[in-house]
Amino acid sequence: GAGVSQSPSNKVTEKGKDVELRCDPISGHTALYWYRQSLGQGLEFLIYFQGNSAPDKSGLPSDRFSAERTGGSVSTLTIQRTQQEDSAVYLCASSSRDGSEAFFGQGTRLTVV
Amino acid sequence: QQPVQSPQAVILREGEDAVINCSSSKALYSVHWYRQKHGEAPVFLMILLKGGEQMRHEKISASFNEKKQQSSLYLTASQLSYSGTYFCGTERTSGSRLTFGEGTQLTVNP
Repeated sequence: GAGVSQSPSNKVTEKGKDVELRCDPISGHTALYWYRQSLGQGLEFLIYFQGNSAPDKSGLPSDRFSAERTGGSVSTLTIQRTQQEDSAVYLCASSSRDGSEAFFGQGTRLTVV
Repeated sequence: QQPVQSPQAVILREGEDAVINCSSSKALYSVHWYRQKHGEAPVFLMILLKGGEQMRHEKISASFNEKKQQSSLYLTASQLSYSGTYFCGTERTSGSRLTFGEGTQLTVNP
């Protein structure tokens, strides 16, 4: 596609359930980021994939969070045993290897009830 | 390692100017600027690279002071459409992760 695609756009889940959020980056972009944004807050870095390098996972808030990127393209962010404080908009972005502009998807709004 | 933005919020009347600052305690390779409107994804404005020149996007320009590790975004003759939250993002080396500041909320009133 022409832009970064994220699915689902909205997700409501019960506390304690696992969720998977998907990101399709722009074709050819080797860098992929996940950020979390709570209402009215900034962009909290979660994880960064760059080509075949080991991902930078330093922003993941707990071991309930994990992410993978298959074939250097699609990425999945998994949150296990969701908690109410996980409620936020999860944004994915991609950019080309030279560290140029990042293109953001429209995000997944996660609500844990 | 998160850059620090100031001010946190600013309110302008249409046609007024504003400056938003972004500073880091670490040496930087680049500074990015993005604007996010309510309910939308952040949109890229410009990148300033180490050793690069001042950049411009319409009536918005930015500079990068490498000695101070500080970037400033200049909004001239503000328009209603400039309203939104402005984020600076920093890279410490080429191709490294992009870390964002807390954002500056800009409101332009008629």
